Amino acid sequence: GENVEQHPSTLSVQEGDSAVIKCTYSDSASNYFPWYKQELGKRPQLIIDIRSNVGEKKDQRIAVTLNKTAKHFSLHITETQPEDSAVYFCAASPNMLTFGGGTRLMVKP
Amino acid sequence: GAVVSQHPSWVICKSGTSVKIECRSLDFQATTMFWYRQFPKQSLMLMATSNEGSKATYEQGVEKDKFLINHASLTLSTLTVTSAHPEDSSFYICSAIPGGDQPQHFGDGTRLSIL
Repeated sequence: GENVEQHPSTLSVQEGDSAVIKCTYSDSASNYFPWYKQELGKRPQLIIDIRSNVGEKKDQRIAVTLNKTAKHFSLHITETQPEDSAVYFCAASPNMLTFGGGTRLMVKP
Repeated sequence: GAVVSQHPSWVICKSGTSVKIECRSLDFQATTMFWYRQFPKQSLMLMATSNEGSKATYEQGVEKDKFLINHASLTLSTLTVTSAHPEDSSFYICSAIPGGDQPQHFGDGTRLSIL
């Protein structure tokens, strides 16, 4: 089955700096890669996703890049704000989602 | 947008009790729903895939006799934790796909605490 590794597990940045979270996956059949933001005690919320026919996707301060050859994808958050503080999960899917271990992002004001 | 409703949001009960959690797709039909479990500070682990009108598909290591899943209609799946014990305490989250290439939408989760 699919295996997704996510790094780092914790990330602390200063407000206004950029944050990058990286994931690798094992199953070359995976073709869908979403990113979720989860606040404490709440459900994961989709923030951006990318499919395997695209190398990069951007939505305002958030961007995701995908390297199919290397089987890795990354989340980039620019101009971070304190409200970006949360746990972020990557996932990969050939048919059902397998989640990475999560990254706790802390944005210091 | 697609909404998934999950109830109850919080359950506290005694060891040995059975607990039922409902997952409803409010504005779309879902032939497939997913049940996840999340322990504190850990990731979401898929427990089972719930298929409307047929048996659920359980992930390796998940006891199907302990975690009963029923997907009786296109908008409702239920997870029953039978004879719950303290080690079953966790955050249980369901999700559903509206269809086609749309992403999974998650319910608000149920925090289960077994005393």
